[in-house]
Amino acid sequence: NAGVMQNPRHLVRRRGQEARLRCSPMKGHSHVYWYRQLPEEGLKFMVYLQKENIIDESGMPKERFSAEFPKEGPSILRIQQVVRGDSAAYFCASSPTPVLSHTDTQYFGPGTRLTVL
Amino acid sequence: AQKITQTQPGMFVQEKEAVTLDCTYDTSDPSYGLFWYKQPSSGEMIFLIYQGSYDQQNATEGRYSLNFQKARKSANLVISASQLGDSAMYFCAMREGPGNQFYFGTGTSLTVIP
Repeated sequence: NAGVMQNPRHLVRRRGQEARLRCSPMKGHSHVYWYRQLPEEGLKFMVYLQKENIIDESGMPKERFSAEFPKEGPSILRIQQVVRGDSAAYFCASSPTPVLSHTDTQYFGPGTRLTVL
Repeated sequence: AQKITQTQPGMFVQEKEAVTLDCTYDTSDPSYGLFWYKQPSSGEMIFLIYQGSYDQQNATEGRYSLNFQKARKSANLVISASQLGDSAMYFCAMREGPGNQFYFGTGTSLTVIP
């Protein structure tokens, strides 16, 4: 049973370019979460999605960032017109059920390290 | 206010010794869960142990145990018989009630000395 998969593992972009980060949840999981980890910091929640729905995007920057989880295919975190401050590790996590209980854990992917030159 | 506080940026421990990593949390929700994750240098996040707010006993998973002191709002991770492979960043996290997100602390870097 493959774990959460993220690609690419490393991504380099120049300022002003677009970055697309992909996340394939674990088999049977239909809930995806994106987190950002800035250097020397813990993970910060960005967005929670179910298939074709954004459930909670309270942690997403208001501009340049968007996320989707289509009916078919991986979840995509898209960053337009990247700036140096976007350099970070972006983690995706998945869970099999709606988060109805505090006992539900999330399973993390290996992360994508974005470097903006 | 910070939801999760980890006050030890770095810790050292001798191989085969036990070590305690501190974590305090802040919530007014009576129902919450506390999690510890390990992040080795390769970068992935590995789930270690979970403690629920209503659990009567401290959680244990192999060499990992969680010293849960509810009144003090602390959830310290204890690693017994440290191994060189335990060298990594360790993150404490919390989920409140039916909320969707995890709140993470800033992490503790553990180095095991041979």
